[in-house]
Amino acid sequence: DVKVTQSSRYLVKRTGEKVFLECVQDMDHENMFWYRQDPGLGLRLIYFSYDVKMKEKGDIPEGYSVSREKKERFSLILESASTNQTSMYLCASSEAGTANTGELFFGEGSRLTVL
Amino acid sequence: KNQVEQSPQSLIILEGKNCTLQCNYTVSPFSNLRWYKQDTGRGPVSLTIMTFSENTKSNGRYTATLDADTKQSSLHITASQLSDSASYICVVTGVPSGGSYIPTFGRGTSLIVHP
Repeated sequence: DVKVTQSSRYLVKRTGEKVFLECVQDMDHENMFWYRQDPGLGLRLIYFSYDVKMKEKGDIPEGYSVSREKKERFSLILESASTNQTSMYLCASSEAGTANTGELFFGEGSRLTVL
Repeated sequence: KNQVEQSPQSLIILEGKNCTLQCNYTVSPFSNLRWYKQDTGRGPVSLTIMTFSENTKSNGRYTATLDADTKQSSLHITASQLSDSASYICVVTGVPSGGSYIPTFGRGTSLIVHP
């Protein structure tokens, strides 16, 4: 069974704290993604990576950074958390290449509350 | 700009009834279209994939249709069950000019099935 694991299901942090969200996949996928999901807005892409040490900005990268030191692990970092970053964060992975069917495999999500 | 629009935004039906969810997109050139089901508090899971040459595809009680000419898709749910209560997300992937496939998400339709 394919698996994407997010390290924390629920987090509560204070404004200004540094936050790490970790994601690990066991499918040897090249592509990994971080999304945030807010009511009425759907999933919005923060960052994605198509290879180790590679990263690309998505639609809403401001206030976030990422790290991909190993193929299976993709971390999302909030350098100084703010209340408007309270959200559900979803990690996903997919295969790369021209034969890619585009299926995303998602983790269970990390619900972050910033007070 | 690539866009995916879903309707209705929300839907309430009685158990045992059928329903149809709509998806219109502007993604071009087109690679594939997926419908995902997202249960509350979980990550989305793929239900079906439609490619350019496919008009209809079924997965149990779920039937997806695609009209690539009008850039429309629908997801029909037959004989609804309480477990069908979820958000249904339409995701369209275009053919990249370079690099990897990046999907475009609709905002989802929230379906509630009442007993």
